[in-house]
Amino acid sequence: DTGVSQNPRHKITKRGQNVTFRCDPISEHNRLYWYRQTLGQGPEFLTYFQNEAQLEKSRLLSDRFSAERPKGSFSTLEIQRTEQGDSAMYLCASSLEAGGHGYTFGSGTRLTVV
Amino acid sequence: SQELEQSPQSLIVQEGKNLTINCTSSKTLYGLYWYKQKYGEGLIFLMMLQKGGEEKSHEKITAKLDEKKQQSSLHITASQPSHAGIYLCGAYTGGFKTIFGAGTRLFVKA
Repeated sequence: DTGVSQNPRHKITKRGQNVTFRCDPISEHNRLYWYRQTLGQGPEFLTYFQNEAQLEKSRLLSDRFSAERPKGSFSTLEIQRTEQGDSAMYLCASSLEAGGHGYTFGSGTRLTVV
Repeated sequence: SQELEQSPQSLIVQEGKNLTINCTSSKTLYGLYWYKQKYGEGLIFLMMLQKGGEEKSHEKITAKLDEKKQQSSLHITASQPSHAGIYLCGAYTGGFKTIFGAGTRLFVKA
């Protein structure tokens, strides 16, 4: 197992464009999380999946953001009509159960909106 | 809502020196995670503390949760350049969401 994989590692896009990020969690982990981290801050929770069900979505996630986890395996995070304020590191994490052993994080996708 | 405050915000130490990072919660903690993040990378899980007074170690890193479960400290003994990075505490909220502090940036001078 190679851990949590995120693609792409870096994305530069023009304001107003749509972008999509992918996360492949550890295969036996049924829980998947998306976090956003801006410079100098800790990660902020965006959304959570248990298997294919999206069970929680932060108020940070405006209607321009959508996340999916079809078949309970990989997940995608799409941002429509990107804004400069969307520039951040988008982190994906997975876990087998809540709490206990913490999350396994991917290396993140750094988004820059110009 | 629960908030975590980390101190100091940044720290520069000479290789071989000991150091302590603190994490204070605005509410009682169900559990407290410590993670390390290398600049521009994801987070690496170090340890989780749940019981008041609990202390855990990972190589030369020791963390403790105070009895009242509102503060945790992380101590590094004989720091090395490999310890450099951002140390983040995270509060386990009893569900699925972890609330993180802003992090402490550690620089180790060789």
